[in-house]
Amino acid sequence: AQSVAQPEDQVNVAEGNPLTVKCTYSVSGNPYLFWYVQYPNRGLQFLLKYITGDNLVKGSYGFEAEFNKSQTSFHLKKPSALVSDSALYFCAVRDRAGGGNKLTFGTGTQLKVEL
Amino acid sequence: DTEVTQTPKHLVMGMTNKKSLKCEQHMGHRAMYWYKQKAKKPPELMFVYSYEKLSINESVPSRFSPECPNSSLLNLHLHALQPEDSALYLCASSQLQDYNSPLHFGNGTRLTVT
Repeated sequence: AQSVAQPEDQVNVAEGNPLTVKCTYSVSGNPYLFWYVQYPNRGLQFLLKYITGDNLVKGSYGFEAEFNKSQTSFHLKKPSALVSDSALYFCAVRDRAGGGNKLTFGTGTQLKVEL
Repeated sequence: DTEVTQTPKHLVMGMTNKKSLKCEQHMGHRAMYWYKQKAKKPPELMFVYSYEKLSINESVPSRFSPECPNSSLLNLHLHALQPEDSALYLCASSQLQDYNSPLHFGNGTRLTVT
């Protein structure tokens, strides 16, 4: 079975500081990993994905994520946070070896960027 | 703005009513999805259509009935719902029902069952 953990319900960071939103995963095979963001009263927006290749993936709005196979992690990062980055962030995984082609979401992390 | 359009944005219905949620995409995607999301929780998969055929039903109660009339449209028919069915219903699409296609979500229909 595949699963995703987001250990922090909320992350607070000051504007201009770097931010990290943590994600760890568990799959039986090799993973496809995704990050989505959800603003209030909106659907989820795709930020970036890891399929294969370079462990550092760059995505929308200046976000990037680092795939670490040994630590089974896929943390989302941004060098300089903006107040407008405040939103709910979901990590998600698909297991190439199985899982019925279902996308499993983490529980979400609320990011709050303050002035 | 999202490329997946959902209507209506808000819906209030009684437990004896029949209503439908609609979803439309014009990106040429061949996989379409219905998700249910409670506040501050991750989306829960309900149904997946691939090439207009139902491929996944996550043991959803029969009071929810999906329909895919063509490759651009996805409906969710609602009948005899319960108050606990109140939630944000999200439609999504992807190029194919394959492992590395990201999902494109609509902004959802906020459903309240009274």
